[in-house]
Amino acid sequence: VIWMTQSPSLLSASTGDRVTISCRMSQGISSYLAWYQQKPGKAPELLIYAASTLQSGVPSRFSGSGSGTDFTLTISCLQSEDFATYYCQQYYSFPWTFGQGTKVEIK
Amino acid sequence: QVQLQESGPGLVKPSQTLSLTCTVSGGSISSGSYYWSWIRQPAGKGLEWIGRIYTSGSTNYNPSLKSRVTISVDTSKNQFSLKLSSVTAADTAVYYCARDEVAAAGIGFDIWGQGTMVTVSS
Repeated sequence: VIWMTQSPSLLSASTGDRVTISCRMSQGISSYLAWYQQKPGKAPELLIYAASTLQSGVPSRFSGSGSGTDFTLTISCLQSEDFATYYCQQYYSFPWTFGQGTKVEIK
Repeated sequence: QVQLQESGPGLVKPSQTLSLTCTVSGGSISSGSYYWSWIRQPAGKGLEWIGRIYTSGSTNYNPSLKSRVTISVDTSKNQFSLKLSSVTAADTAVYYCARDEVAAAGIGFDIWGQGTMVTVSS
């Protein structure tokens, strides 16, 4: 099983801030990583796949980077609709696993 | 536009079998381009992948649940289903169905159902 350490678990930020979320793997996964945004009471939505490819329709302020064991999700200019919980997920080897989540809250 | 919709009982008694169905609309489950997964999320907690099925019936399961899980597909109804046996309170969660692409590089889960809450209680 590939274990994922996502940090921070809670991030307090203001509109307009640049924020970064980290996801570290227990072993290398090449670029088989996705990022999701989840709002309360809603299903997760795919933001980024293959570590850095923006899903269609996702604003360009979202970006992803990394390969191997260390990955980052960056929101360049936080908007009000971005306050949510973010998860990373590896699809390199079974079972697919998710990070513990990072809640981005209003400072 | 493809949509997924979960359905099934919201309350299951301990030791019984949880049964859910995901109906695919706006596209064919038999297209051959996708796997169809189940994922769950206990209240206030993270996401756990349960398993997936291909249109051929080929499956992959999470080892942590494998002994209790069966995922099946009914192409005639454009549906796939989850059965989880011998449930306990620890199986109480929102259950999602989701789609992921059959591609060499993969893209993660690009379409999700809205989720259905299942409570295990007597």
